[in-house]
Amino acid sequence: ETGVTQSPTHLIKTRGQQVTLRCSSQSGHNTVSWYQQALGQGPQFIFQYYREEENGRGNFPPRFSGLQFPNYSSELNVNALELDDSALYLCASSFRSNEQFFGPGTRLTVL
Amino acid sequence: DAKTTQPTSMDCAEGRAANLPCNHSTISGNEYVYWYRQIHSQGPQYIIHGLKNNETNEMASLIITEDRKSSTLILPHATLRDTAVYYCIVRVSNYGGSQGNLIFGKGTKLSVKP
Repeated sequence: ETGVTQSPTHLIKTRGQQVTLRCSSQSGHNTVSWYQQALGQGPQFIFQYYREEENGRGNFPPRFSGLQFPNYSSELNVNALELDDSALYLCASSFRSNEQFFGPGTRLTVL
Repeated sequence: DAKTTQPTSMDCAEGRAANLPCNHSTISGNEYVYWYRQIHSQGPQYIIHGLKNNETNEMASLIITEDRKSSTLILPHATLRDTAVYYCIVRVSNYGGSQGNLIFGKGTKLSVKP
């Protein structure tokens, strides 16, 4: 049974650019949640996808968007990057609302 | 905002039990207590969760007070690899989306020392 994987591991972008982060969910899981973790803080909920539909959203602007595919993998897209978007982006998969299992994260640096 | 209060940091000697407290005085009847930990720069790792009864698994034990306003996570024999930030979270387990998401506070930084 493979766990949650994320790509890329690290990414450097400049302000104003767009970025796509990817997540493969754990086998048997149909729900993916995305979190943003700034340095020294706990993770903050961005949104959740279930059956390819957005199923809840935290306090993040519309330039944060996502997709879930039929195989339950997911993408997080961020447009018009800002310096404050620099963070560790975490993906977590679960079977419906059961306990969430996290991937290793993608470290995004915006210059 | 997180509905839990945890000490900022704790130390524990290797081989001894680590007891991590958490206050959740406003917990609702349908909210579970979850514990995750995060080792430096890795994704959070699920440890255990419970509603009202004490729970135990291969990683830890969770003791919830009778009034459910506080709980304690117990690592019975702490090792150096247990050094991490431990997050206590209350969550409605039966819902997805915004209601079922995890609201992390700042957690407790546990340092296990030789």
